[in-house]
Amino acid sequence: LAKTTQPISMDSYEGQEVNITCSHNNIATNDYITWYQQFPSQGPRFIIQGYKTKVTNEVASLFIPADRKSSTLSLPRVSLSDTAVYYCLVGDMGPIDSGYSTLTFGKGTMLLVSP
Amino acid sequence: GAVVSQHPSWVICKSGTSVKIECRSLDFQATTMFWYRQFPKQSLMLMATSNEGSKATYEQGVEKDKFLINHASLTLSTLTVTSAHPEDSSFYICSARVTDQPQHFGDGTRLSIL
Repeated sequence: LAKTTQPISMDSYEGQEVNITCSHNNIATNDYITWYQQFPSQGPRFIIQGYKTKVTNEVASLFIPADRKSSTLSLPRVSLSDTAVYYCLVGDMGPIDSGYSTLTFGKGTMLLVSP
Repeated sequence: GAVVSQHPSWVICKSGTSVKIECRSLDFQATTMFWYRQFPKQSLMLMATSNEGSKATYEQGVEKDKFLINHASLTLSTLTVTSAHPEDSSFYICSARVTDQPQHFGDGTRLSIL
């Protein structure tokens, strides 16, 4: 299983762009990169997923360099409600009995957004 | 889309009783469901993986006789904590996925054993 490394915590202010970088040096060819957000006493919420280059949706962008050994989650113009723990995970998306690797959660990044 | 519902959201019970937690995929048929456990200020720890109609695969160190998992249909999995004790108190979270799609998580169940 590809292991991930993220900063333990980050601080930001409302309205700023936040970039959280995740290292995954041992990522396998079939692995995708998925980011989740978790608020206290709630389950993780899917934010974005990508395989290579750049992916953008209505809430975030995901930048993946050509070597795929790292990825950066970009949150534009954060608000107080973006204060949460953000997890980066890597894993195969295939069938459970054919290469799919169960996602292993690391410690995540605690993002604190202040007024 | 991709909504996973977990019930109950919070349960308190006496030591020695059994507690059942339900996990349902509301708008999709899940290929696989997962059960996690999370202690305060810690990350999620995978307990077991289950496919519909087959036995669950438990992670090392998780007692399968204590944490019974039943995956009766493509939309429902249950976790039963048998003879619960205070050390079983935790936040239990399920997730579900379809092949080639990311996992989607329920909102968790806070279990407190007195």
